[in-house]
Amino acid sequence: GAVVSQHPSWVICKSGTSVKIECRSLDFQATTMFWYRQFPKQSLMLMATSNEGSKATYEQGVEKDKFLINHASLTLSTLTVTSAHPEDSSFYICSAAGPGRTETQYFGPGTRLLVL
Amino acid sequence: AQSVAQPEDQVNVAEGNPLTVKCTYSVSGNPYLFWYVQYPNRGLQFLLKYITGDNLVKGSYGFEAEFNKSQTSFHLKKPSALVSDSALYFCAVRGRSGGYSTLTFGKGTMLLVSP
Repeated sequence: GAVVSQHPSWVICKSGTSVKIECRSLDFQATTMFWYRQFPKQSLMLMATSNEGSKATYEQGVEKDKFLINHASLTLSTLTVTSAHPEDSSFYICSAAGPGRTETQYFGPGTRLLVL
Repeated sequence: AQSVAQPEDQVNVAEGNPLTVKCTYSVSGNPYLFWYVQYPNRGLQFLLKYITGDNLVKGSYGFEAEFNKSQTSFHLKKPSALVSDSALYFCAVRGRSGGYSTLTFGKGTMLLVSP
């Protein structure tokens, strides 16, 4: 149980385009979802937290207009990187926590984004 | 604000030997502590957590962790390492951000188990 998927697993795009990453909880309802960014050989940095049906809460320094988060249902959250630039290239990881699982986050496999 | 320190960038151990990956934390109130493992180009897998109760917590794949309140430590241990245990290990502590329960991660420790 507690499986979280992400799609796509990797994406290459041109500078200036937008990229959408999906995060799904497959076997539980995720009341809260989290988006992280990880640079090579570094730890995970929390970007934002969202509850289903409400606006995401962004961490300090994260541009909410650039990283759009939609948590439309209890099993799906999306992260859209708008007008992507090479410096947005990174490994993006989502996690989910649900009813009864609020103390433990379950992580997706990650999405590697390369902006050319 | 809460924080986690993993003092070792890398830990090397021979297969069959015991391993320890160190973690210390700083948090106000009672700590909720976690260990996760990450394999190359993959997300994090949950290993174990401490919330309350016994100081020795048992988790997945034979791993365990010992909570020490006086030393504010939560070291990850395994009695006998396997080559397949080689991965990046993260310690994390629960915090709060914008009304949500969030995780603050250490920088990670690479565990290399040699045959």
